[in-house]
Amino acid sequence: DQQVKQNSPSLSVQEGRISILNCDYTNSMFDYFLWYKKYPAEGPTFLISISSIKDKNEDGRFTVFLNKSAKHLSLHIVPSQPGDSAVYFCAASDGGSQGNLIFGKGTKLSVKP
Amino acid sequence: EAQVTQNPRYLITVTGKKLTVTCSQNMNHEYMSWYRQDPGLGLRQIYYSMNVEVTDKGDVPEGYKVSRKEKRNFPLILESPSPNQTSLYFCASSFRPPGTRRGTLDTQYFGPGTRLTVL
Repeated sequence: DQQVKQNSPSLSVQEGRISILNCDYTNSMFDYFLWYKKYPAEGPTFLISISSIKDKNEDGRFTVFLNKSAKHLSLHIVPSQPGDSAVYFCAASDGGSQGNLIFGKGTKLSVKP
Repeated sequence: EAQVTQNPRYLITVTGKKLTVTCSQNMNHEYMSWYRQDPGLGLRQIYYSMNVEVTDKGDVPEGYKVSRKEKRNFPLILESPSPNQTSLYFCASSFRPPGTRRGTLDTQYFGPGTRLTVL
């Protein structure tokens, strides 16, 4: 049973518009969430994170929102750029010392010029 | 340049032929881990290491071994590969375990990946 779900395998957005990538989780023990970005033939790179004590974290064009009651988080990219085209993974942690992140399947974002 | 390197990047082998995928990082990170990525399943942790000589199982350790004799290296060993180990493998490292909220200390850096096919 998937604990972290990214239900949209793909998303296409026009350059300059907002991209919204969604992620749902089922485990209420998760208290820290991360987004990774992955280009083809490269490893994932860390993008932004949020702790469960916050409901929003912003870094430049990237903002992550967390709705704990709905067990839902979203990544907003504004404005979207063609270089943002990549696969985005949502990951969650229960803060355990093992450092085991539970990843979603990923959403492929295509930003069209 | 700070990086995590993996070798080989691509490998096709046959069932039962032992292989090793190497992983090396030059950032003096204590924590290292291996993941596999399969279609429709995201990334799953195979093994992790908190420090030299300290390794432990992740979520999908069956059929794999690791060792951590030096801080910078964390090889993944498949003693008798099987077709269900065909996958894309990523090595990763960080100062502290990811997700433990140590600020930048738990930021995880990934290698470029190794695509393994077992026939």
